[in-house]
Amino acid sequence: AQKVTQAQTEISVVEKEDVTLDCVYETRDTTYYLFWYKQPPSGELVFLIRRNSFDEQNEISGRYSWNFQKSTSSFNFTITASQVVDSAVYFCALLSGTYKYIFGTGTRLKVLA
Amino acid sequence: ETGVTQTPRHLVMGMTNKKSLKCEQHLGHNAMYWYKQSAKKPLELMFVYNFKEQTENNSVPSRFSPECPNSSHLFLHLHTLQPEDSALYLCASSQERVETQYFGPGTRLLVL
Repeated sequence: AQKVTQAQTEISVVEKEDVTLDCVYETRDTTYYLFWYKQPPSGELVFLIRRNSFDEQNEISGRYSWNFQKSTSSFNFTITASQVVDSAVYFCALLSGTYKYIFGTGTRLKVLA
Repeated sequence: ETGVTQTPRHLVMGMTNKKSLKCEQHLGHNAMYWYKQSAKKPLELMFVYNFKEQTENNSVPSRFSPECPNSSHLFLHLHTLQPEDSALYLCASSQERVETQYFGPGTRLLVL
């Protein structure tokens, strides 16, 4: 079975705090891809990152960083020094053998000024 | 225009109306998708088109009828909808099925 679990339904932080959004996935495929998307109130899902199963290097892009660990089937997303503009719903997704995106239920992040 | 565009952005319709949602992608992609996003539910894949051919229909009721005249345009024709069909309908495209999907801004649909 393929599944993506985002256990955190909603997180609230104060501006400038660091925050980590968790994503745990399940798949039996050896080749798969993991994604993070941001959905601001406007509705559009904005692509943030794609990682394939053979590349476990962590990645940093500005205030964003991603920690991919195959041993724990996790692909966590950290925002450093959060800002109000980071407030959105964040989705983790898995793409594997079925060629279907499997989305998690999303984590709503509220960054308070 | 760049990326993936959707029109209209908002739509209110009665249960007896017929309307269409339009999606256009300016990315040169070959695959296009319709998703439904309801409150407190995961995104639901509805239809997939690859090179204009429908390759996926996830048991979507026949009151939703997709049309893909070419690789750049995707329509979702709606008729005799139910109030529970009220949702955000998102269109996406990708170069190939295994590539990253890029989403449009969505159409917020309210069925009265």
